[in-house]
Amino acid sequence: DQQVKQNSPSLSVQEGRISILNCDYTNSMFDYFLWYKKYPAEGPTFLISISSIKDKNEDGRFTVFLNKSAKHLSLHIVPSQPGDSAVYFCAASDPSSSNTGKLIFGQGTTLQVKP
Amino acid sequence: EPEVTQTPSHQVTQMGQEVILRCVPISNHLYFYWYRQILGQKVEFLVSFYNNEISEKSEIFDDQFSVERPDGSNFTLKIRSTKLEDSAMYFCASSVLTGELFFGEGSRLTVL
Repeated sequence: DQQVKQNSPSLSVQEGRISILNCDYTNSMFDYFLWYKKYPAEGPTFLISISSIKDKNEDGRFTVFLNKSAKHLSLHIVPSQPGDSAVYFCAASDPSSSNTGKLIFGQGTTLQVKP
Repeated sequence: EPEVTQTPSHQVTQMGQEVILRCVPISNHLYFYWYRQILGQKVEFLVSFYNNEISEKSEIFDDQFSVERPDGSNFTLKIRSTKLEDSAMYFCASSVLTGELFFGEGSRLTVL
């Protein structure tokens, strides 16, 4: 099941620079997308979400962009901080499961922010 | 800040044994979930639970798995007869509505 794909297993950026994490999906019916951050030995923590009726959502240093025609979303972190070093998961909600809350996750991208 | 709590943090069991993983969701949440992550793989949906019944389950969630909310606060996942391939990190989650899920820290299950 590869409905949500994060093709970059890892990313390394310098502190203060922009981190861009990418996610592609195959199911055009997906209508809600989320980004989660996960530290080792902890559960995923919600970061930011976007509905398919929008193309951008911003929350502080985090911005998610959605390109529906390309079935692509990205998470921008500006400026990146060492504490942002974690695994980032993209997830999508299937409207056929809109009353159940089922999320489909990507494989995750490990971000390392170097001081 | 309210959080989802899970116990145990780590359980080691012999193949064929029954395991119960416990979760206390956030108190005003209505939807409850179990996900799992096998080492090196994706976080996978197992089951969602709403209004005291399963609302959706994945193909992974076969007859060996069950969930219940015995007392209005705990939410448990039972694996009746564990297999080696059940070794994974199991995450409980809850939400007010569908959408943003809050996850616990996970219970690591090791089946020997």
